[in-house]
Amino acid sequence: NAGVTQTPKFQVLKTGQSMTLQCAQDMNHNSMYWYRQDPGMGLRLIYYSASEGTTDKGEVPNGYNVSRLNKREFSLRLESAAPSQTSVYFCASSERLAGGSPLEQYFGPGTRLTVT
Amino acid sequence: LAKTTQPISMDSYEGQEVNITCSHNNIATNDYITWYQQFPSQGPRFIIQGYKTKVTNEVASLFIPADRKSSTLSLPRVSLSDTAVYYCLPGGGFKTIFGAGTRLFVKA
Repeated sequence: NAGVTQTPKFQVLKTGQSMTLQCAQDMNHNSMYWYRQDPGMGLRLIYYSASEGTTDKGEVPNGYNVSRLNKREFSLRLESAAPSQTSVYFCASSERLAGGSPLEQYFGPGTRLTVT
Repeated sequence: LAKTTQPISMDSYEGQEVNITCSHNNIATNDYITWYQQFPSQGPRFIIQGYKTKVTNEVASLFIPADRKSSTLSLPRVSLSDTAVYYCLPGGGFKTIFGAGTRLFVKA
């Protein structure tokens, strides 16, 4: 099993450009997440998808959109990149308990994005 | 969401036991406490999770007192490869809050 995969690994954008970060998991998990991590900081939740067909805002959703394409894939789109979005982006997935609460998350290797 | 307080950094030597304590005063009744480890340039990795008393796995132990307002991650006999950032996350929902974590540096 590959676990959680992310593409691309690195990306440089100019201010105003758009791009989509791709994430896929092969663990048949119901829930998926997108985080960003700035240097020396903890992770901040951008969006999450509790189950296929649903998405919800996290702590820092402004400037981003997401699509839960199917159970395996969850993409993050930057419509008009800004230097403040320079960060490392991590995708994660988790299973859910029968009552709905998420279990531990499994993270991908990250995408390093620089916006100039 | 419970707010956490952890030491910013800790130093240790190879072979020692390391205990990292996290305070989470306003933890909710249904919240579990989860610890993650993150190496440079990698995503976090799950270490251990517990609700109360003591949990042990092949990597670590987690001690949670009766009032559940704190938890202690115990790493037995650390090695250089345990140098990482450790995050304490109390919670039970989807909006997980990762604080700044504790930077553990293990020296030879």
